[in-house]
Amino acid sequence: GQQVMQIPQYQHVQEGEDFTTYCNSSTTLSNIQWYKQRPGGHPVFLIQLVKSGEVKKQKRLTFQFGEAKKNSSLHITATQTTDVGTYFCAGLKFGGSYQLTFGKGTKLSVIP
Amino acid sequence: NAGVMQNPRHLVRRRGQEARLRCSPMKGHSHVYWYRQLPEEGLKFMVYLQKENIIDESGMPKERFSAEFPKEGPSILRIQQVVRGDSAAYFCASSPRLAELQETQYFGPGTRLLVL
Repeated sequence: GQQVMQIPQYQHVQEGEDFTTYCNSSTTLSNIQWYKQRPGGHPVFLIQLVKSGEVKKQKRLTFQFGEAKKNSSLHITATQTTDVGTYFCAGLKFGGSYQLTFGKGTKLSVIP
Repeated sequence: NAGVMQNPRHLVRRRGQEARLRCSPMKGHSHVYWYRQLPEEGLKFMVYLQKENIIDESGMPKERFSAEFPKEGPSILRIQQVVRGDSAAYFCASSPRLAELQETQYFGPGTRLLVL
């Protein structure tokens, strides 16, 4: 079945440092979505990428979708303590069913 | 516009009891998805429903688990004869139309199930 791998599993950064999480799918994706989950909270939608090679920015967050539509990354510039949480990518398989396949997430800790 | 609502937020059951989890999608949304999240894990798809129809239940365990989304009322995820391994957070998400049309899924706050 479809697998979505996400690395790293954990990342500790000093406030102000940059952070990147990577997502790789075993199959070509129709689209990829990114979510953020705070401790004890629920996944909150951040963005959706659809086109090959697409890059989208939200303030300090930059999202990329690979040319082959099998990988993606989320980069946060100059992290802040409010960025703490787990970031999940979720892929929708091209031509497949309607289920999102989630990566295991990257848990980000920011040291003030 | 109220978001996705789930209740109860926390549920404690003893082994062998039944657990019923409810999900009311966002207004105007007719598609509901259930996911399970174990501690320190990602979300695992369980089932996708539209009103009165199960569209995809490929992620649902074959035994003890069932889901419905009736014409009126919330979607229900039912777990019979719960075991300790069922302890997890169960999230419901809704969308207004097919996910393949690139529509976002909006998540509810989840139900944390603890089986003693």
